[in-house]
Amino acid sequence: DTAVSQTPKYLVTQMGNDKSIKCEQNLGHDTMYWYKQDSKKFLKIMFSYNNKELIINETVPNRFSPKSPDKAHLNLHINSLELGDSAVYFCASSQVARTSRTGELFFGEGSRLTVL
Amino acid sequence: KNQVEQSPQSLIILEGKNCTLQCNYTVSPFSNLRWYKQDTGRGPVSLTIMTFSENTKSNGRYTATLDADTKQSSLHITASQLSDSASYICVVSASTGFQKLVFGTGTRLLVSP
Repeated sequence: DTAVSQTPKYLVTQMGNDKSIKCEQNLGHDTMYWYKQDSKKFLKIMFSYNNKELIINETVPNRFSPKSPDKAHLNLHINSLELGDSAVYFCASSQVARTSRTGELFFGEGSRLTVL
Repeated sequence: KNQVEQSPQSLIILEGKNCTLQCNYTVSPFSNLRWYKQDTGRGPVSLTIMTFSENTKSNGRYTATLDADTKQSSLHITASQLSDSASYICVVSASTGFQKLVFGTGTRLLVSP
């Protein structure tokens, strides 16, 4: 029944490792997003995919690589993890991407990444 | 520069009391404004979405107002409950092609018994 689900919920790893976070939505939405929430609780967009096509790619290190095998899935792979990557990563989805319509955003529960 | 500022940063109120959270934005061109509630350890959940032509919208005990002229919004919570303790995030959408959302830093509300 979960609309937007992401795994794992918690991830603790060493600096330099490579890790992935997976996201799936069963809402039939055409657009998916990855957000990063830092320690100050500020949410910042990282990537957005519309129908498997990358449409938003904010200033994010190229160690972060999103992959969308289909419009219901958007995974995030992070190479060579650094201490500053520690944060909560939220996946989200919406039905529309264009701002001419008010596409409501549905968030997953978040994946807390801790880099030691 | 597109920005969304919220005040206060944090707030403590007694259960049963009302409170109002503020949001000022400089996002242009404006498309819509949203309020989200984020419980600790959970993802944000949408409370309201308002377009340019709407100046008030309610969702149960939550009432959001929008003044597009002064670029201000407020979220009023009536008869607060302990479950209202959360962060409330104001998000403004800019009309720049694909949906670009500008997030505020949130107001942390604690409802005390």
